[in-house]
Amino acid sequence: DSGVTQTPKHLITATGQRVTLRCSPRSGDLSVYWYQQSLDQGLQFLIQYYNGEERAKGNILERFSAQQFPDLHSELNLSSLELGDSALYFCASSSRVVSGANVLTFGAGSRLTVL
Amino acid sequence: GQQLNQSPQSMFIQEGEDVSMNCTSSSIFNTWLWYKQEPGEGPVLLIALYKAGELTSNGRLTAQFGITRKDSFLNISASIPSDVGIYFCAGRAGDSNYQLIWGAGTKLIIKP
Repeated sequence: DSGVTQTPKHLITATGQRVTLRCSPRSGDLSVYWYQQSLDQGLQFLIQYYNGEERAKGNILERFSAQQFPDLHSELNLSSLELGDSALYFCASSSRVVSGANVLTFGAGSRLTVL
Repeated sequence: GQQLNQSPQSMFIQEGEDVSMNCTSSSIFNTWLWYKQEPGEGPVLLIALYKAGELTSNGRLTAQFGITRKDSFLNISASIPSDVGIYFCAGRAGDSNYQLIWGAGTKLIIKP
């Protein structure tokens, strides 16, 4: 157990729908990162939050949004879902803003299937 | 933008063989990280490197931070079946971009 908790583990939905993925970071970690991993692909950075504030944006679609709450848990909202959004979505946390100065700890991921 | 090339893309090896994979970047990095991802799981940190020339071991795994600061390699000695998975390198460049840059991964498959 990495200490990063993601729910749900699996999610099946239809095109056009909206889903919310949830992440609780490791105790003491202030930064939360969201990554997308499509089948047999690498990790695509979506967005980072630090202590409730957005710190960096990667290749996140406008249909996607995220936030980090005062208790430091984070949610990734995916709307107007398309077939191509089917992927594993990972949350990772770290204790510092500068990701390179500290390592990321990943959750087990949420597997989203859009039919 | 910054790019990180990881090779090989996949490896088919016999149990007991040594494995070597590497990553090269188009710019100087000041941190290299190696992660392993098993099927259905999130990546798990194997080794972190913070200084050029640094050589660090974790059991049968050894990783080095290249002297040029533009490359890193990971070696696995005497591979065993549980070594299968995808190995990712990630690096942070020496500029103000705080985000990790990720390699595309090396898929390790052990031939029966």
